[in-house]
Amino acid sequence: DQQVKQNSPSLSVQEGRISILNCDYTNSMFDYFLWYKKYPAEGPTFLISISSIKDKNEDGRFTVFLNKSAKHLSLHIVPSQPGDSAVYFCAASDLGSGGGADGLTFGKGTHLIIQP
Amino acid sequence: AAGVIQSPRHLIKEKRETATLKCYPIPRHDTVYWYQQGPGQDPQFLISFYEKMQSDKGSIPDRFSAQQFSDYHSELNMSSLELGDSALYFCASSPRGALWQETQYFGPGTRLLVL
Repeated sequence: DQQVKQNSPSLSVQEGRISILNCDYTNSMFDYFLWYKKYPAEGPTFLISISSIKDKNEDGRFTVFLNKSAKHLSLHIVPSQPGDSAVYFCAASDLGSGGGADGLTFGKGTHLIIQP
Repeated sequence: AAGVIQSPRHLIKEKRETATLKCYPIPRHDTVYWYQQGPGQDPQFLISFYEKMQSDKGSIPDRFSAQQFSDYHSELNMSSLELGDSALYFCASSPRGALWQETQYFGPGTRLLVL
């Protein structure tokens, strides 16, 4: 059962426009969420995170929004640039489960394509 | 900035052989995580270590074992390899400090091919 869902396998956006990547989760115990960017043959690169006590976190062109009641988060990239073309993974963690070094649960990723 | 180092980057083994993957965390990171990513799949958490002790366990097969050493590097030992073990294996590290949020930083991965 996929606890973190990214329902769009791919997304095409024009350069300069806003890219919005969506993620839904089913486990209400998740309290920390992260977005990673991944190029082929490379490891995931951390982009931005948000804890469950917040509903928005911003870092430069990247903003993550969290709607806990809907169990939904989204990543906004403004403006989109050609170098943003990559696979984006949403990940979640249940940090309140006991303080251990908890593994992340990933979604299946969304392939973002920025068109010139 | 220093990143997570994994070796080897590529490994080819035959069925029933053993393999050892190594991970060197970012300096001053004392927590290490292992993930497996099959073709077209999302990364699956295997196991984690904090201060040389196993901390969390995911979907790691019994044929696999791992440990963290005094210098905080970690090794994933895989025995009786099967064709289905062919995957990308990622190591991630994070710092443990006063903050309860732990961002994990990933290495470049080891691509294992079992023939």
